[in-house]
Amino acid sequence: AQSVAQPEDQVNVAEGNPLTVKCTYSVSGNPYLFWYVQYPNRGLQFLLKYITGDNLVKGSYGFEAEFNKSQTSFHLKKPSALVSDSALYFCAVRDKAGGFKTIFGAGTRLFVKA
Amino acid sequence: EAGVTQFPSHSVIEKGQTVTLRCDPISGHDNLYWYRRVMGKEIKFLLHFVKESKQDESGMPNNRFLAERTGGTYSTLKVQPAELEDSGVYFCASSQGTMYNEQFFGPGTRLTVL
Repeated sequence: AQSVAQPEDQVNVAEGNPLTVKCTYSVSGNPYLFWYVQYPNRGLQFLLKYITGDNLVKGSYGFEAEFNKSQTSFHLKKPSALVSDSALYFCAVRDKAGGFKTIFGAGTRLFVKA
Repeated sequence: EAGVTQFPSHSVIEKGQTVTLRCDPISGHDNLYWYRRVMGKEIKFLLHFVKESKQDESGMPNNRFLAERTGGTYSTLKVQPAELEDSGVYFCASSQGTMYNEQFFGPGTRLTVL
């Protein structure tokens, strides 16, 4: 069965420090991987995706993520956190052989302190 | 360009009542999805439309839930009769083209069943 795990309910980081939000996944085939962010009272917004090719993908607002096939991980990173990055982050996966069905993780709340 | 809209933003109903949620996708997006998030848990896939056709309804919890997308534009999700466990936030999303394209989410409808 497909699944996504975000092992941390919350990540705290000081402004200016690097941040990492972890995600591991399980699919039977090859994955398409996505990160979305949700700000209060808003819908989820797309940040970045891995389809194929280079394992390091860059996305919106300075975020990047690294696909690691052997560890089945897709951790979200940013070199220097901003207070405005504080939000709820969701990792998601689609199995290339499984159609459009998307499996999401439970979300990780990121707090960036000034 | 208008984003995905959902109505109502909140709904509070008694157990046994009926509720209908509406989603208006981005114009031109053939793919429309419904998801549900119960507090603090993962966002769960409910179903996927391509135009007016249900492509995958494997996530629909039971036959108390009925989704329609007449004419391939807006969609409705009806819960009848509502049960306490149906409470949560219902998200609608839309996308165009292939399965590796990102989804655009509405702000969600928060449903509370008392």
